[in-house]
Amino acid sequence: EVQLVESGGDLVQPGGSLRLSCTASGFSFSDHYMDWVRQAPGKGLEWVGRTRNKANSYNTEYGASVIGRFTISRDDSKTSMFLHMNSLKTEDTAVYYCARATFGSGTYFLDSWGQGTLVTVSS
Amino acid sequence: IQMTQSPAFLSASVGDRVTLTCRASQGIGNDLGWYQQRPGKAPKLLIYATSHLQTGVPSRFSGGGSDTEFTLTISSLQPEDFGTYYCLQDVAYPLTFGQGTRLEI
Repeated sequence: EVQLVESGGDLVQPGGSLRLSCTASGFSFSDHYMDWVRQAPGKGLEWVGRTRNKANSYNTEYGASVIGRFTISRDDSKTSMFLHMNSLKTEDTAVYYCARATFGSGTYFLDSWGQGTLVTVSS
Repeated sequence: IQMTQSPAFLSASVGDRVTLTCRASQGIGNDLGWYQQRPGKAPKLLIYATSHLQTGVPSRFSGGGSDTEFTLTISSLQPEDFGTYYCLQDVAYPLTFGQGTRLEI
């Protein structure tokens, strides 16, 4: 069974930093691209970023609102992905989900999701 | 690429046939997925590549369209289908979600 478990969410002051983790099990983690998606309270889904797999040099992509502040990394030996968040703003307050990206029928899609971890940015 | 969903809110009855729409600001081919999110839960993939039903998803769900206009149809609404539905384009970075359609049964 595919499982994704996020952790690391916390209350942090504006301008602070935080690292989220996503630990995977039940599938070949190293083969997959992995994504972060967030949802502010009462709002819709926002794509945060993606890390490709080793075959694609672990290259990353980011949403416009987090470029230069957030960094995604992964450790395939620990089947884990990380979201390093710096210069946090109040508008970064959200539930952060990790998701597995799978390729099929010519496109990628997010076919497994974690339960989410809450990040609150407030003084 | 901007994704626009309509309607924003839909109220329907059990057994109804409902269609949700997602429009892209530029052509995205077939690189579109549909996700269902129930309150307090993580999103769930329903449809990928415009029209492919994800394993385990009931066949009353179907997707269609191409390029800039896409639809998600529920052929016979069930009580468990309440929630918010999102489309997501995966043709170009940054990936973008539609703003969602909230479906009330």
